[in-house]
Amino acid sequence: EIVLTQSPGTLSLSPGERATLSCRASQSVSSSYLAWYQQKPGQAPRLLIYGASSRATGIPDRFSGSGSGTDFTLTISRLEPEDFAVYYCQQYGSSVTFGPGTKVDIK
Amino acid sequence: EVQLVQSGAEVKKPGESLKISCKGSGYSFTSYWIGWVRQMPGKGLEWMGIIYPGDSDTRYSPSFQGQVTISADKSISTAYLQWSSLKASDTAMYYCARWTIYGDYVWFDPWGQGTLVTVSS
Repeated sequence: EIVLTQSPGTLSLSPGERATLSCRASQSVSSSYLAWYQQKPGQAPRLLIYGASSRATGIPDRFSGSGSGTDFTLTISRLEPEDFAVYYCQQYGSSVTFGPGTKVDIK
Repeated sequence: EVQLVQSGAEVKKPGESLKISCKGSGYSFTSYWIGWVRQMPGKGLEWMGIIYPGDSDTRYSPSFQGQVTISADKSISTAYLQWSSLKASDTAMYYCARWTIYGDYVWFDPWGQGTLVTVSS
């Protein structure tokens, strides 16, 4: 089973700042099978990025994804108040696994 | 609008059985896999398994194999997650989500609103 590690565990930033979230896999993952989700308190997760770098429908262009192999990154170029949430990466290989999440909170 | 609507919150005692549901609408229910994801209180997301309602092909995470049963009734566009004997450790929020395969890409979208299951004596 492929294990995903996300860092940092918590990222404390101010609105307008840039957020860089990392997702590292225990073995190589096809970029096509790497997705990112946002979850706000009391809400279901929401798809942000699929295929490592493609934004889902309706996702603002301040969200971008990159990476390949074992290292992937989610970048939020300028944090808006509604972006403070938990972010999960997810991969599909022989099975599906999620990373433990990165919480982006207000500094 | 593509939508998944889950059944309401449940409070159960250890040892009881339970079946929760996830009803799809706005798309061809038999053409997409449906997955189940557990989120224990204050914790992250754990994939439990997926089912293809068209032929009921089901795959389980090794962590949940034998612990739960995933099923579907395509005649009413509904997927199910069931337990035969609940434990306190089954207390969690459970989400269903459509597993979309588009060319070389796969993802979970949309998600149901979640069903909170509380198991307590």
